[in-house]
Amino acid sequence: DIQMTQSPSSLSASVGDRVTITCRASQSISNYLNWYQHKPGKAPKLLVYGASSLQSGVPSRFSGSGSGTDFTLTISSLQPEDFATYYCQQSSSTPLTFGGGTRVEIK
Amino acid sequence: QVQLQESGPGLVKASETLSLTCTVSGGSVGSGSYFWSWIRQPPGKGLEWIGYINYSGSTNDNPSLKSRVTMSLDTSRNHLSLRLGSVTAADTAVYYCATYHGGRRGWFDPWGQGTLVTVSS
Repeated sequence: DIQMTQSPSSLSASVGDRVTITCRASQSISNYLNWYQHKPGKAPKLLVYGASSLQSGVPSRFSGSGSGTDFTLTISSLQPEDFATYYCQQSSSTPLTFGGGTRVEIK
Repeated sequence: QVQLQESGPGLVKASETLSLTCTVSGGSVGSGSYFWSWIRQPPGKGLEWIGYINYSGSTNDNPSLKSRVTMSLDTSRNHLSLRLGSVTAADTAVYYCATYHGGRRGWFDPWGQGTLVTVSS
């Protein structure tokens, strides 16, 4: 199985901050990497697919980059509605696997 | 716009079978455009892929679940079903259904709201 490791596991940030979340795969997954936002009691929401393609309707302050084993999700200017947990997920091979999550909290 | 809603018993006894349904609106489970997937999240833990099924009934599930998983589609009711046998407390989780796009190397979108299933001893 491909292991996905996210860092940090949590962070505190202020509105307007630039936030970067890292995801590392245990082996190369090309660009088969997706990012999701999850708020308590809500359905997880797709933000980025294929490592860098922004899902329709997702604000442009979100961006994804990387290939191979190292990937990042960046929020250029954190907004109040962005406080949530973020997960990466690889689709290079089954079983499909997720990172452990990064909780973004209000500072 | 596809929408998904999970339903089923919130409490299951250990050693029995967990059964959930995911009702699809705004799309057809018989469509060849998607795979239909199940994912779960135990309390306080991360997300775990359970498996997916395509329009023809072909399935792929997570080996970690040791062949306890059965997935099916009902095109007449436009829903998908999950059965997980011989459950233990470790199967307590929020269970989500989701549409899997982009072929085998795709992504999950959208997801249902999820339903909590507790396994009791």
